[in-house]
Amino acid sequence: EVQLVESGGRLVQPGGSLRLSCAASGFSFSNYGMSWVRQAPGKGLEWVSSLSASGGHTYYADSVKGRFTISRDNSENKLYVEMTSLTPADTAVYYCVHSLCQNDVAVGGVSCYYYMDGWGKGTTVTVSS
Amino acid sequence: EIVLTQSPATLSLSPGERATLSCRASQSVSSYLAWYQQKPGQAPRLLIYDASKRATDIPARFSGSGSETDFTLTISSLEPEDFAVYYCQHRNNWPLTFGGGTKVEIK
Repeated sequence: EVQLVESGGRLVQPGGSLRLSCAASGFSFSNYGMSWVRQAPGKGLEWVSSLSASGGHTYYADSVKGRFTISRDNSENKLYVEMTSLTPADTAVYYCVHSLCQNDVAVGGVSCYYYMDGWGKGTTVTVSS
Repeated sequence: EIVLTQSPATLSLSPGERATLSCRASQSVSSYLAWYQQKPGQAPRLLIYDASKRATDIPARFSGSGSETDFTLTISSLEPEDFAVYYCQHRNNWPLTFGGGTKVEIK
């Protein structure tokens, strides 16, 4: 069974920093691109950041670029996001998500796409004084 | 950045009725579009990817269509568990974006 368990969310003051973690199990973590998606209270979904399977390619939403850093440890099956210079606009539930990967006959292996296939339950970050 | 506009914002229907949800992209996303369902207090669930392919274990009453800039999610006959919020998302280029969502509520 695929499991993604986020942790690290808490109340933090504006200007503060926080590191979220995601522990993955039940799938071949090192073969999957991973992402963080957030949802502010009562609002829609917002893509935050993605990271390739090897960790060599990172992508960020403009709203977090320069403030957030995504990383992974494939030996520990963990995904991270380091968040700095936090503002109230960063208040949200943060979901850890794995990409959609499928057997691809055309390439004779597995192809992965940045659709959000497996989701954790989320961890809540509140930025307030 | 590609903007995805979903309509209507709210759809009020009865169980058994057909639901038609729209997602319009500000520029072409080819067929690289997905649909998600989110129920209150739960994480979203992938329903449809590449515009028309059902994800694993998704019932056949859910179907997707469209390409380029205009996409539709159809629920052929609403079951009680289908009342939820639905989002579209593209993967055509970076940044990825989601639409604002359509809430399907019980009439």
